[in-house]
Amino acid sequence: DAGVIQSPRHEVTEMGQEVTLRCKPISGHNSLFWYRQTMMRGLELLIYFNNNVPIDDSGMPEDRFSAKMPNASFSTLKIQPSEPRDSAVYFCASSLPQGRNEQYFGPGTRLTVT
Amino acid sequence: SQELEQSPQSLIVQEGKNLTINCTSSKTLYGLYWYKQKYGEGLIFLMMLQKGGEEKSHEKITAKLDEKKQQSSLHITASQPSHAGIYLCGADVIGNQFYFGTGTSLTVIP
Repeated sequence: DAGVIQSPRHEVTEMGQEVTLRCKPISGHNSLFWYRQTMMRGLELLIYFNNNVPIDDSGMPEDRFSAKMPNASFSTLKIQPSEPRDSAVYFCASSLPQGRNEQYFGPGTRLTVT
Repeated sequence: SQELEQSPQSLIVQEGKNLTINCTSSKTLYGLYWYKQKYGEGLIFLMMLQKGGEEKSHEKITAKLDEKKQQSSLHITASQPSHAGIYLCGADVIGNQFYFGTGTSLTVIP
């Protein structure tokens, strides 16, 4: 198995632009998580899905952030419009049904908003 | 997150020395996970603890769960440069929520 796949690995964009991050979870995993990691705040859970349905999006910072999971093998995290404070590493992780199972992390997308 | 506190925040040890990292939860634990992260990379799962008193080992890394104290400790015996990285604990807590700890940065000096 290729593991969790994220793209792009690096993204540099100007403030105000739309940014879309992509994730392909491990086949057979029912749960998918989006995290953001910064030096100041550490690793923060933004949103997670079970069976393609968003379960908890309380970690999504603002309306500028949105996430979708149209099918079991693909998810996107969109930021529109992007701001410099959104600069961070965004990780996607997947697991068997949420709870009591380890999560497998993708390599992350390093986002820089200038 | 404040729900999970790790200590110490950073650790520098000489190769061959033993070390311990602690993780304390402010909420009731249902499961405790340890991950390792190398700079610029994703997290790698190390082990999961679910029952009070449970202890697991992987190579020279041992983790224990004290359910009553809502704490877990990660112990590395005879540390090596390959152990360097950031260690994070994660927990399933009451309310079906999941949090990560603040992380402990480990440097091992050859």
